[in-house]
Amino acid sequence: KQEVTQIPAALSVPEGENLVLNCSFTDSAIYNLQWFRQDPGKGLTSLLLIQSSQREQTSGRLNASLDKSSGRSTLYIAASQPGDSATYLCAVRSSASKIIFGSGTRLSIRP
Amino acid sequence: SAVISQKPSRDICQRGTSLTIQCQVDSQVTMMFWYRQQPGQSLTLIATANQGSEATYESGFVIDKFPISRPNLTFSTLTVSNMSPEDSSIYLCSVQNTGGSTDTQYFGPGTRLTVL
Repeated sequence: KQEVTQIPAALSVPEGENLVLNCSFTDSAIYNLQWFRQDPGKGLTSLLLIQSSQREQTSGRLNASLDKSSGRSTLYIAASQPGDSATYLCAVRSSASKIIFGSGTRLSIRP
Repeated sequence: SAVISQKPSRDICQRGTSLTIQCQVDSQVTMMFWYRQQPGQSLTLIATANQGSEATYESGFVIDKFPISRPNLTFSTLTVSNMSPEDSSIYLCSVQNTGGSTDTQYFGPGTRLTVL
């Protein structure tokens, strides 16, 4: 059974810092991995999708990497801004129709 | 991408009543899903909504409690029946454009339900 873990559960950093969020999964037989952002009381916004054959994806200040063999993914945020404050969720697709979510990292960027 | 809307955005309901949540997508999609996010928790898949047939429920979720309809490729409803305070959650509709394993999954804004 696939399990997805995110560390840390919460993170607070001053504005301008680069930071890394971690996601690990127990079963390396995945189709893809997706990072989402969730603002308080809101739905999910897709940030990056990495296919199982890819090593990383970039979008603006965000870079996500995938190491299937070790069951890990990281989300790198460069030059953090207060507007980046949100909960970041990692989700692994283990079948064509089902994705498993991690518990999320609650990120706070201090001005 | 797909634009998803949900109604209502939030509701406060009494114990024992039922609430139907609507999900509308701006384009035809193959897969539609319903998730629950309990306070402080991550998302849990309730069921896959199948067009023209019964939904496929995950372990721990049953049709009598969470009946789902999907009359076409752009619309689905989830009903939370005989509600109790434990049903207080955010309910999210999600779609996938095709049945492929490489597709991005998109989420609606969610319906915040509070049961008194």
